[in-house]
Amino acid sequence: DAKTTQPNSMESNEEEPVHLPCNHSTISGTDYIHWYRQLPSQGPEYVIHGLTSNVNNRMASLAIAEDRKSSTLILHRATLRDAAVYYCLIIQGAQKLVFGQGTRLTINP
Amino acid sequence: EPEVTQTPSHQVTQMGQEVILRCVPISNHLYFYWYRQILGQKVEFLVSFYNNEISEKSEIFDDQFSVERPDGSNFTLKIRSTKLEDSAMYFCASARKGSGANVLTFGAGSRLTVL
Repeated sequence: DAKTTQPNSMESNEEEPVHLPCNHSTISGTDYIHWYRQLPSQGPEYVIHGLTSNVNNRMASLAIAEDRKSSTLILHRATLRDAAVYYCLIIQGAQKLVFGQGTRLTINP
Repeated sequence: EPEVTQTPSHQVTQMGQEVILRCVPISNHLYFYWYRQILGQKVEFLVSFYNNEISEKSEIFDDQFSVERPDGSNFTLKIRSTKLEDSAMYFCASARKGSGANVLTFGAGSRLTVL
């Protein structure tokens, strides 16, 4: 599994954008970049995924660097309910998800 | 929105007892997983299951653990003789595809407390 590096924690204010970085310098050409999050006392929840191009969905945007060695999850207007641990994962084929420690995001009111 | 359902939400058991955790995956999903999370630690992979057999398992998934899809809708995790260190949240997940674009849907978890 390609290794990912994320900051242990980040803090932001409500209604402001949040940019969560992830480095994955050992990613290979067919690996997908996935983001999941885990709200307090809940199971992990899918957020977004991509391969090469930037992606948008109702939850977030994913910006992928041109060399694919890093990516950024963008929450456009953070709410208190976005406080969670965010995991960046690299997936190849039908491999299992391997969770690291993720980034604990705190949202200040 | 379809969801993965897990029962029980919380089970307390004595060390050495057998425990069965149950999951109802999303109906058109073909890939099934169990993960666990010890309190304060990261989410750990246990086992994946496809086409009625285990496709991958971790070192945690030893002979005390087994999985089954008994009736085409339920997916169960059995722990034969529980140990104190089996106390954790157990998450079931399912997915439709088996590619790198595979999106897993997780259940809310079953909390197992072994006394």
